[in-house]
Amino acid sequence: NAGVTQTPKFQVLKTGQSMTLQCAQDMNHEYMSWYRQDPGMGLRLIHYSVGAGITDQGEVPNGYNVSRSTTEDFPLRLLSAAPSQTSVYFCASSYRGTHEQYFGPGTRLTVT
Amino acid sequence: EDKVVQSPLSLVVHEGDTVTLNCSYEVTNFRSLLWYKQEKKAPTFLFMLTSSGIEKKSGRLSSILDKKELSSILNITATQTGDSAIYLCAVVDSGYALNFGKGTSLLVTP
Repeated sequence: NAGVTQTPKFQVLKTGQSMTLQCAQDMNHEYMSWYRQDPGMGLRLIHYSVGAGITDQGEVPNGYNVSRSTTEDFPLRLLSAAPSQTSVYFCASSYRGTHEQYFGPGTRLTVT
Repeated sequence: EDKVVQSPLSLVVHEGDTVTLNCSYEVTNFRSLLWYKQEKKAPTFLFMLTSSGIEKKSGRLSSILDKKELSSILNITATQTGDSAIYLCAVVDSGYALNFGKGTSLLVTP
């Protein structure tokens, strides 16, 4: 099992550009989520999904979109990048019925 | 306000010392509390504590949940330099979303 994978590992964007951060898991987990981690702020939930076709907003959803067309994939889209979105982004997944989430290796995003 | 507060924010100890990290929480419907260790990359799971499992131990690490005080501690005995990391506490109050504290940065010096 590869676990939770994320691509790319690093990305630099200019203000206003859009892009998609990819997340995939091969553990057949129903629950998937996206967090951002900023210095001194801990991890904050952006969006989550409890299964294919179902998504919901977390604590800091503005400027991000998600979709969940398959159990395996949960991409995060930045619609128009802003410097405030400079952060490290983590994807995580778990089985429904347990709270133990497995994290991907993260994507470090810089917006200039 | 923060739902999950960790203390101290940072800590420097010598190898062999014992450390205690604290996590307090304020949520409406507590379901579980989790501890993660984060070295350079992704957080890795350490323990999950619930109403039916308030104490966990693995090697030199142990954790206790105090539901009355709405808090948890993570103990590390005989610390090693490999224990240097950020320790994250997270609480689940509804659904599956993890509400994280800001973390405690632990540095173990030789």
